[in-house]
Formats: sequence, structure tokens, C-alpha cells
Amino acid sequence: QKEVEQNSGPLSVPEGAIASLNCTYSDRGSQSFFWYRQYSGKSPELIMFIYSNGDKEDGRFTAQLNKASQYVSLLIRDSQPSDSATYLCAAPAGGYNKLIFGAGTRLAVHP
Amino acid sequence: EAQVTQNPRYLITVTGKKLTVTCSQNMNHEYMSWYRQDPGLGLRQIYYSMNVEVTDKGDVPEGYKVSRKEKRNFPLILESPSPNQTSLYFCASSSGQTADSPLHFGNGTRLTVT
Repeated sequence: QKEVEQNSGPLSVPEGAIASLNCTYSDRGSQSFFWYRQYSGKSPELIMFIYSNGDKEDGRFTAQLNKASQYVSLLIRDSQPSDSATYLCAAPAGGYNKLIFGAGTRLAVHP
Repeated sequence: EAQVTQNPRYLITVTGKKLTVTCSQNMNHEYMSWYRQDPGLGLRQIYYSMNVEVTDKGDVPEGYKVSRKEKRNFPLILESPSPNQTSLYFCASSSGQTADSPLHFGNGTRLTVT
């Protein structure tokens, strides 16, 4: 059974700090990863996709992938209270369309 | 507006009473899927469909049925709901053309089975 593991949190950071969210996966064959953000009571929305080792930056968000360590992370710089949400890591399992999701990490950014 | 529409948003029912949750997308996506979300367990895939008349089981298909008679619609059917199917359900669609094709989620259906 392929698995994606995340710390459930909550991860609490002060406004303006860097939030670091981590995800590990069991399938060495996984080539790409998604980060979704889910506000309380809302549906998940895609914020980052990464498939290469190293870093990928998009505004205040940086995704980092280390395939050797089977580890993917999401950094949020200059965290804002509006970033408070649950962040879901996901990896394809057997094709582009079958995603395995982690349980999510709840992030709380306090003023 | 491109969207995935689920109905109803909230549903309370009793054990054994058949129900259907509808899902429709207007993006001409070939791929559609149903997930359930439970605290501590994250999103788990119930069924998915690669195209019209093509469906397959996800990780937790027991107790559920689906059909894909039209490209835009992918209803989820609970023939005999039980309390362990109380959950938050999401329908999602994707073009599925490339590895980075994102999933577009509906607003969710919160189901309570008593």
C-alpha cells in the first residue's frame, strides 16, 4: 500500500515567519507531488506541483523535493494569518489521475 | 465559470435509505473521481472514471456505486447507507492530460447517516 505521511500539527507560527510543512512517501517510484491547501469547511485547491529534485518557487511558496530521501516539503515565507489552513500533500499512484493524499498538516499563523 | 458542482451540500439520512449525491463538471474533463474525507485519515479515493462508461475502484469502494453515462456527470450512489459512511464527500475532475493536471474539487457534501 503506497502511503503519504504528514504530521497532523497544528503547526503554529507567528506572522511573518517561515512555515515549513513536511511530507514523506513510501513509493520510490513516485515522480511528482502536489500540495493542496484546504481552508476549514472548504474544498482543497492546488497551490504547488513539483516533479524534479530540488526547489520550485512560486511567490511566497517553495516546494522542495528530495527523491533519495523520499521527502517533499513546502515552505511558506512571510506567513500571513490568511495562510492558516490545512495543507495536503499528494502523490500519483499508478497513473496521473489516481492521487494518494496525506492526512494533512494544519497550519495556524498568529498575529 | 469553470466548476465542479455537487449536490446536496448537506444530507442527513437513516440507515438503509438509498441516496444519490450528484456531481457535474463543465470543463469537458475526461477524468472524474469521488473522495471521502475523515478526520485523521485525509482524502481517500472511492471510485474514479477515466471516461464515459469507464469506472474503477479506488481505495475504499465498499458500499458505494457510481456511473458515468455522460462525460459531465458522475453520481455517487449509496444503496444502503450505514453510519460508518458518515463523512465529507468530494467530487473532483481533471483533464488528466499531463502529470501536473490539477484536480478541481466540488464544494463537498457532508453526509450524516443515523
